[in-house]
Amino acid sequence: RKEVEQDPGPFNVPEGATVAFNCTYSNSASQSFFWYRQDCRKEPKLLMSVYSSGNEDGRFTAQLNRASQYISLLIRDSKLSDSATYLCVVTPTDSWGKLQFGAGTQVVVTP
Amino acid sequence: DAGVIQSPRHEVTEMGQEVTLRCKPISGHNSLFWYRQTMMRGLELLIYFNNNVPIDDSGMPEDRFSAKMPNASFSTLKIQPSEPRDSAVYFCASSLTGGNQPQHFGDGTRLSIL
Repeated sequence: RKEVEQDPGPFNVPEGATVAFNCTYSNSASQSFFWYRQDCRKEPKLLMSVYSSGNEDGRFTAQLNRASQYISLLIRDSKLSDSATYLCVVTPTDSWGKLQFGAGTQVVVTP
Repeated sequence: DAGVIQSPRHEVTEMGQEVTLRCKPISGHNSLFWYRQTMMRGLELLIYFNNNVPIDDSGMPEDRFSAKMPNASFSTLKIQPSEPRDSAVYFCASSLTGGNQPQHFGDGTRLSIL
């Protein structure tokens, strides 16, 4: 079983709609969680950290569910520029500083 | 502020040749990571350094791969001899030390081994 699993998608989303997707992780002792965004042929870029209480950054909302071991990302009022692959990232406690990346969820926002 | 700087951006070479990829981390960051990304395998961590010391090289595919960090502002990833299956995008990333610190990636080096 992979340590970080994501639905690869693609999630096809009409412009202006809301899309949400999850990521599950296997190590219950994991400490830190992030969402990264990767555009085609570009480097991954930090989108947002995920805090225990959940957090919001503009149109993006991230949630952490430790009991079920998943994190989620919700994008409201989708823009064409939101089309990208979203990578779920987890830091296990026994690998300090070493991030574990999911394979990514592709989101395609259509006009 | 300068981000992580990688060079070259693209490299095309014939199998058997030595390839050297370079990385300058963000100033003040003391953790440095080398990744490889392919369509088939996704993003793979090859090796990471903390304060210039290799901490975990378990992701290095084989002895043909080596990495060094002679000082806090420079690292190299070397492949010798190169093989076609090494073709991938190689990313360097840096961060402050600590599991809760996000990593900042360079633009990557697109490597093609013919």
